[in-house]
Amino acid sequence: GAVVSQHPSWVICKSGTSVKIECRSLDFQATTMFWYRQFPKQSLMLMATSNEGSKATYEQGVEKDKFLINHASLTLSTLTVTSAHPEDSSFYICSAPRGTSGGADTQYFGPGTRLTVL
Amino acid sequence: QKEVEQDPGPLSVPEGAIVSLNCTYSNSAFQYFMWYRQYSRKGPELLMYTYSSGNKEDGRFTAQVDKSSKYISLFIRDSQPSDSATYLCAMKAGGYQKVTFGTGTKLQVIP
Repeated sequence: GAVVSQHPSWVICKSGTSVKIECRSLDFQATTMFWYRQFPKQSLMLMATSNEGSKATYEQGVEKDKFLINHASLTLSTLTVTSAHPEDSSFYICSAPRGTSGGADTQYFGPGTRLTVL
Repeated sequence: QKEVEQDPGPLSVPEGAIVSLNCTYSNSAFQYFMWYRQYSRKGPELLMYTYSSGNKEDGRFTAQVDKSSKYISLFIRDSQPSDSATYLCAMKAGGYQKVTFGTGTKLQVIP
């Protein structure tokens, strides 16, 4: 199956600092990637859609100035949490869609990044 | 009302049991249905992917879609302790559209 990696797998930072999370599609190209946030015992919440060569599309209620997304290439998207605060502590997961033979695509997820803001 | 409803569980079953996991949905436009398995502190892993109504089998896993009832199921036969995880249903309207996830059902298979 398709492989999507994330780095780092976990990070601890002080309040007020910025943290960058990388998402890479290892064996396929992805013009679109998705960034999710997951709180304990809750489902995935879509934060934004990362588009290669254009601006990201943010979901309602997600601060675009706080969660900066850059889709640098067809295999790399980055999410930067700026001026992180304890309430930003969460599990961040990216996904990349890959086309299927049926004329659709399916999403493959990265392993996630656990962010803890002290 | 949420677009996708899924019982969060937890669901505990003995090893070897048949497990039934279900989701209901309200958006009749959904055409593509997926099941993901997520182990603790890991990203979701795609298990099954089906289009429209019907059944699909893959090893011990069977996915069923009943669009008339807006109801999808995942059956796990001969459940194993290694199946203990959270199972997320997911669905979308078009082939390349945004995916809507259920909240996930936590399954525990007891040896």
